Amino acid sequence: AQSVTQLDSQVPVFEEAPVELRCNYSSSVSVYLFWYVQYPNQGLQLLLKYLSGSTLVKGINGFEAEFNKSQTSFHLRKPSVHISDTAEYFCAVGQQGAQKLVFGQGTRLTINP
Amino acid sequence: DTGVSQDPRHKITKRGQNVTFRCDPISEHNRLYWYRQTLGQGPEFLTYFQNEAQLEKSRLLSDRFSAERPKGSFSTLEIQRTEQGDSAMYLCASSVRGLYDGYTFGSGTRLTVV
Repeated sequence: AQSVTQLDSQVPVFEEAPVELRCNYSSSVSVYLFWYVQYPNQGLQLLLKYLSGSTLVKGINGFEAEFNKSQTSFHLRKPSVHISDTAEYFCAVGQQGAQKLVFGQGTRLTINP
Repeated sequence: DTGVSQDPRHKITKRGQNVTFRCDPISEHNRLYWYRQTLGQGPEFLTYFQNEAQLEKSRLLSDRFSAERPKGSFSTLEIQRTEQGDSAMYLCASSVRGLYDGYTFGSGTRLTVV
């Protein structure tokens, strides 16, 4: 069975500061990894995904993530955040060849002016 | 591409009543998924359709829950004899190539059982 642990439930940062949201996963098989963002009262929007190849993945809105197989991590980073980045961020893992995603509990990113 | 549509956006119902939600996926997407998200948690998988065939169901989908996708287009999720524990956001997503594409989610239906 797969699982995802998002190590921080809340992350407050100042505007224009860098941020890292941490995600660790467990799986005994090859996986795909995803980060989604959820704004209040909305569904989830795909930020980026790792399928294979380069371990550094670039996504929308200036976000990037790095897949580290030895540490089973997929941390999300942004060098300079904006007020508009305030949202809930979810890391998710899916088994290659399967259909369902397993999500972490989410990290609430709060940007302070 | 009008996105994934869910209706209604909000539903308040009394305990014991039946409710039905509808999801209209992106038109060319043959794969459709239902997830449930409770407050402060990540979404949890409920069920998956490829065209009209329901190919996978979670153990979370008790006998009171049923999902259909009769013509391989829109889908409905029905909850019978609702309980307070059913209060959650019900999310629908669709895809062409499954996880390889990532999903496109709808805005969800928020159910409150009183």
